Amino acid sequence: GQQVQQSPASLVLQEGENAELQCNFSTSLNSMQWFYQRPGGSLVSLFYNPSGTKHSGRLTSTTVIKERRSSLHISSSQTTDSGTYLCALANNNAPRFGAGTKLSVKP
Amino acid sequence: EAAVTQSPRNKVTVTGGNVTLSCRQTNSHNYMYWYRQDTGHGLRLIHYSYGAGNLQIGDVPDGYKATRTTQEDFFLLLELASPSQTSLYFCASGGQQDTQYFGPGTRLLVL
Repeated sequence: GQQVQQSPASLVLQEGENAELQCNFSTSLNSMQWFYQRPGGSLVSLFYNPSGTKHSGRLTSTTVIKERRSSLHISSSQTTDSGTYLCALANNNAPRFGAGTKLSVKP
Repeated sequence: EAAVTQSPRNKVTVTGGNVTLSCRQTNSHNYMYWYRQDTGHGLRLIHYSYGAGNLQIGDVPDGYKATRTTQEDFFLLLELASPSQTSLYFCASGGQQDTQYFGPGTRLLVL
């Protein structure tokens, strides 16, 4: 079965609203990463977060290993946040990606 | 800034054709990866390597070969391309217990 599941599959926000993206995994992990994929396709690393909480500007990542989940919180969304957010977990340095959450932020 | 480059950026070939995708990283990372991305599937791992001469099989290796010639260079080979291999291909590099840095991607169309 699929090891990494992301929800929701898609999300539409009004600018200024907050978003909570979820990543659930069925196996143990030694790393958890969050990426942003621009509409043109390029991928940008947001967080490397195998456990605990990390912050970067308006973004917060929280990974709870015993609950096998990681979340990405986006506060005060902007239209430039639109794109696809991907989580990836790795065992033995072989990362597996979720299918992604496609975010659209309307002005 | 970490750098991963891929070539070509776009490629069109015919069924049965021979294709080589190239990837170079200047990050001094040990690990390099090849993924394909298709609608509804996210990124799927094809092959990866933890050093020159090493090759590990990923989740969707059928129809693909790969070779890591140096620390910097990782190649993906499609020796008999099929339309099912039409996809967006990404290369990435990373250190152990570290994030990955991705190349810009190669769009491959197999007619």
